[in-house]
Amino acid sequence: GESVGLHLPTLSVQEGDNSIINCAYSNSASDYFIWYKQESGKGPQFIIDIRSNMDKRQGQRVTVLLNKTVKHLSLQIAATQPGDSAVYFCAENSGGYQKVTFGTGTKLQVIP
Amino acid sequence: SAVISQKPSRDICQRGTSLTIQCQVDSQVTMMFWYRQQPGQSLTLIATANQGSEATYESGFVIDKFPISRPNLTFSTLTVSNMSPEDSSIYLCSVEDGRVYGYTFGSGTRLTVV
Repeated sequence: GESVGLHLPTLSVQEGDNSIINCAYSNSASDYFIWYKQESGKGPQFIIDIRSNMDKRQGQRVTVLLNKTVKHLSLQIAATQPGDSAVYFCAENSGGYQKVTFGTGTKLQVIP
Repeated sequence: SAVISQKPSRDICQRGTSLTIQCQVDSQVTMMFWYRQQPGQSLTLIATANQGSEATYESGFVIDKFPISRPNLTFSTLTVSNMSPEDSSIYLCSVEDGRVYGYTFGSGTRLTVV
């Protein structure tokens, strides 16, 4: 399918290594953050979320870190696998009921 | 989580024509959302569609260009009207899936306007 990551920054990681994808958000009033994974030809898929009253949350092989002081969000993927190759978006709730704003995205390329 | 069926999956359309995109959900949802993803870009919210009321459009998007219908709690359509090549994008339907602020997305409609 078509790639949605043609103009996005790319992170290349060796299979088995850990990946860290970073995101800067702009709205200090945002209180909820989500990471999405988008594979080629598919819609975004929810990975993990975090509220602003937390600074860390762990899932299966993934960890999200939130630094509200510098308005920075990161997604850590442990033991990166070829199936992790995709475009990753952070999203923030920036006002209004269930309205979220997406960040620019990062393309993760896993090298076998 | 909800399962979304979006049609068509892709289309190539002549400029000046209109295309209606359908979004069917397998469960009743209050809010449905339409996004646009231009080539190599992130997702931009077009509008929020609630059943029984007019859609709420985001800045830069207007009803005349992107009319939306929401006849019931499981279905919505987005029409891209009077298309130009600049409308070539992926259009995505999304619904809340029970997680607070979490969304489930359809696979999208890849539109190419020639």
